[in-house]
Amino acid sequence: SQQGEEDPQALSIQEGENATMNCSYKTSINNLQWYRQNSGRGLVHLILIRSNEREKHSGRLRVTLDTSKKSSSLLITASRAADTASYFCATDENTDKLIFGTGTRLQVFP
Amino acid sequence: KAGVTQTPRYLIKTRGQQVTLSCSPISGHRSVSWYQQTPGQGLQFLFEYFSETQRNKGNFPGRFSGRQFSNSRSEMNVSTLELGDSALYLCASSLSAGGNTDTQYFGPGTRLTVL
Repeated sequence: SQQGEEDPQALSIQEGENATMNCSYKTSINNLQWYRQNSGRGLVHLILIRSNEREKHSGRLRVTLDTSKKSSSLLITASRAADTASYFCATDENTDKLIFGTGTRLQVFP
Repeated sequence: KAGVTQTPRYLIKTRGQQVTLSCSPISGHRSVSWYQQTPGQGLQFLFEYFSETQRNKGNFPGRFSGRQFSNSRSEMNVSTLELGDSALYLCASSLSAGGNTDTQYFGPGTRLTVL
């Protein structure tokens, strides 16, 4: 089963623009994570935000979490061609399993 | 530290055969999880091992099994392969002692094609 649904499914932008991806989930969580996957490769952990946090930053990444709406957003500022990848959110469903969403495919054009 | 390694990287099998995939976690990580990724189903959790014990399991048939050795290396086995088993199989390790919900460190994956 998949917990998170990312929106949009695909996003195309120019270098220098900001990219925003959203993730919605169904049940309560302890934490939410974002991962990046370059084509056909393994996933790379980007950021983890706990249920009692509302916002977190890491370099050009900003993640927000709204537990009342069961949603999170990932903002990538000043995007680069190297940011082209699929981005996944993952939640724990208040269990000891990590469940991944469907992903957003981001294409950044130089 | 070396990252998570998976072998082989690519594999082609025929229906009915069985396959074993291997994963070596980051040194010191005792939790190893396996995921199946397909275009249609996305990333699906298979199972997680911690200290040689299967701690959690996803909704996959019994043809999918795994094990973990005392050095934390893990193997995944799929018997009686079906066409639908064609996928990227990802292994991830973590320090987590309480489930696999902490930061996961992924290997590059094994691309399995079933003909």
